[in-house]
Amino acid sequence: GESVGLHLPTLSVQEGDNSIINCAYSNSASDYFIWYKQESGKGPQFIIDIRSNMDKRQGQRVTVLLNKTVKHLSLQIAATQPGDSAVYFCAESPQAGTALIFGKGTTLSVSS
Amino acid sequence: DAGVIQSPRHEVTEMGQEVTLRCKPISGHNSLFWYRQTMMRGLELLIYFNNNVPIDDSGMPEDRFSAKMPNASFSTLKIQPSEPRDSAVYFCASSFTGPVRPQHFGDGTRLSIL
Repeated sequence: GESVGLHLPTLSVQEGDNSIINCAYSNSASDYFIWYKQESGKGPQFIIDIRSNMDKRQGQRVTVLLNKTVKHLSLQIAATQPGDSAVYFCAESPQAGTALIFGKGTTLSVSS
Repeated sequence: DAGVIQSPRHEVTEMGQEVTLRCKPISGHNSLFWYRQTMMRGLELLIYFNNNVPIDDSGMPEDRFSAKMPNASFSTLKIQPSEPRDSAVYFCASSFTGPVRPQHFGDGTRLSIL
């Protein structure tokens, strides 16, 4: 079936390093992708999104890359900080007007 | 600006009881989503509304679950009767409808059915 999955369930980095969180999606027709950060006891928090007509989008310390050829999405976090420790989810929208499908999540652990 | 507001934040009740979860979306958003999050299944969509109308309820587990959106600023998710396997964190999210539509989540209701 159609699903969004993550390559690695956990990622441990040192403070100041760059982090890369990966995501594979299965539906080539998906037109919208989004990354969320979820801290303990809170709801998912929007980080950055990208439409399928783009291959890169940058925010503050974050960059999302979209490779439609291999159906791969990644989130890069520059100069990772302890406050970045959380679970990160990618999500896709298979077609306009439908709800998002979420992956299982990657836990990012930042040590100082 | 106020985000999505959910209540209660925590609910503990005995099986068989009726449970009602509440959500106030962000003002102006016209899509509203209910999700359930568990360790085993992750984040699952239960139902979503566009302009107060249910669009897709295929994720609702069974007839014990029902959701309503009587107006643009309020929605409820009801479980009757509740069962221990309903224990989870329930999230409400809202967004604008359109091609670029990030959903904004509330902080959830942690539900424990004993």
